[in-house]
Amino acid sequence: GAGVSQSPRYKVAKRGQDVALRCDPISGHVSLFWYQQALGQGPEFLTYFQNEAQLDKSGLPSDRFFAERPEGSVSTLKIQRTQQEDSAVYLCASSIKIPGLAGLGWKTQYFGPGTRLLVL
Amino acid sequence: AQSVSQHNHHVILSEAASLELGCNYSYGGTVNLFWYVQYPGQHLQLLLKYFSGDPLVKGIKGFEAEFIKSKFSFNLRKPSVQWSDTAEYFCAVAPLTGGKLIFGQGTELSVKP
Repeated sequence: GAGVSQSPRYKVAKRGQDVALRCDPISGHVSLFWYQQALGQGPEFLTYFQNEAQLDKSGLPSDRFFAERPEGSVSTLKIQRTQQEDSAVYLCASSIKIPGLAGLGWKTQYFGPGTRLLVL
Repeated sequence: AQSVSQHNHHVILSEAASLELGCNYSYGGTVNLFWYVQYPGQHLQLLLKYFSGDPLVKGIKGFEAEFIKSKFSFNLRKPSVQWSDTAEYFCAVAPLTGGKLIFGQGTELSVKP
């Protein structure tokens, strides 16, 4: 597709239930990011993949949160034993990573529509 | 600590008024700077970005922003707003080497026709 897609768009879960959120990045985009956006706040970083490698998971709030990208394309964010404080919009973004002066470089992150999770 | 602060939580303007949204950041190193916009019911879209060079950058829909390194600021401006500019605006920074974006809390702009 033309942009980043996420599914489901809305998810209602009972407290204690496990959920899985899917992200399809733009084709060819090497980098993939997950963010959490609470109501009335800006997005907060959760984790980052370069291809299938999870290079940064410093933003994951607890060990109940787990992300994977096994084939370097689609990614899944899993939340185990959901709690009410997990209610938020979960955003996925992807970007092309290109070589730069220091061997690193990147371009703009393109965001998907998000998955709105409500935990009751 | 790395952080981004947006001065205004909610701004209300009439059409044709000028706009300036404040953004200050705290980051120990060279950064890339961004403004993203989220129109009602839509996803985050890039408005403009600063990587290097001319500190005055122009984006889509007549928006511009000025990077003032000494003030750690990256304020967003538009000379004359339209009703269609009603949206939430987010300032964000990222390290020069790439990686996670750090967002401000957002400014909701309401433009009255």
